[in-house]
Amino acid sequence: DIQMTQSPSFLSASVGDRVTINCKASQNINKYLDWYQQKLGEAPKLLIYNTNSLHTGIPSRFSGSGSGTDFTLTISSLQPEDVATYFCLQHNSGNTFGAGTKLELK
Amino acid sequence: EVQLVESGGGLVQPGRSLKLSCAASGFTFSNYYMAWVRQAPKKGLEWVATISTSGSRTYYPDSVKGRFTISRDNAKSSLYLQMNSLKSEDTATYYCARRVQLRHFDYWGQGVMVTVSS
Repeated sequence: DIQMTQSPSFLSASVGDRVTINCKASQNINKYLDWYQQKLGEAPKLLIYNTNSLHTGIPSRFSGSGSGTDFTLTISSLQPEDVATYFCLQHNSGNTFGAGTKLELK
Repeated sequence: EVQLVESGGGLVQPGRSLKLSCAASGFTFSNYYMAWVRQAPKKGLEWVATISTSGSRTYYPDSVKGRFTISRDNAKSSLYLQMNSLKSEDTATYYCARRVQLRHFDYWGQGVMVTVSS
């Protein structure tokens, strides 16, 4: 089974900061990596699919990059509404979510 | 607007069964794979099951294989999850999600809570 190691587990940043969250796969997952945002008490929401494709309606400050085993979610300028937990998901072989990154405002 | 509304959750004893439902609207249900994803309290996400557009193919992780059955009724735009032999570790919020083939989950319901306890 493919394991996903997400880092950091917790992140504190200020409004306007550039924020990066990482996911590392235990083996090559090609481009099949998504990013989801989950606000407190809400269902997850798709942000980025297949490494770098922005889902409908998602602000352009969110972007994704990477390939093979190493992937990054970037928020170019953090906004208050971005406070949430972020999860990565690989679907190259089976389906494995990362453990999540809790993002808070400093 | 895509809407997914789960129902059927609740408190159930270990070893018993429960069936979840998901009512879909705002899209052509029969054109999409569908799935269930769960989240134990204060934990991460775990994929539970996926079903093809016609229902002829189903997919499960080892943790639920043989105990859970995903099904769909395209005429009713509804998705189901039959859960048998429930264990305490099945306690979670269960989300219905629309799936793009066997790839990303592009829309999610609000979730339904299942508690397995004596």
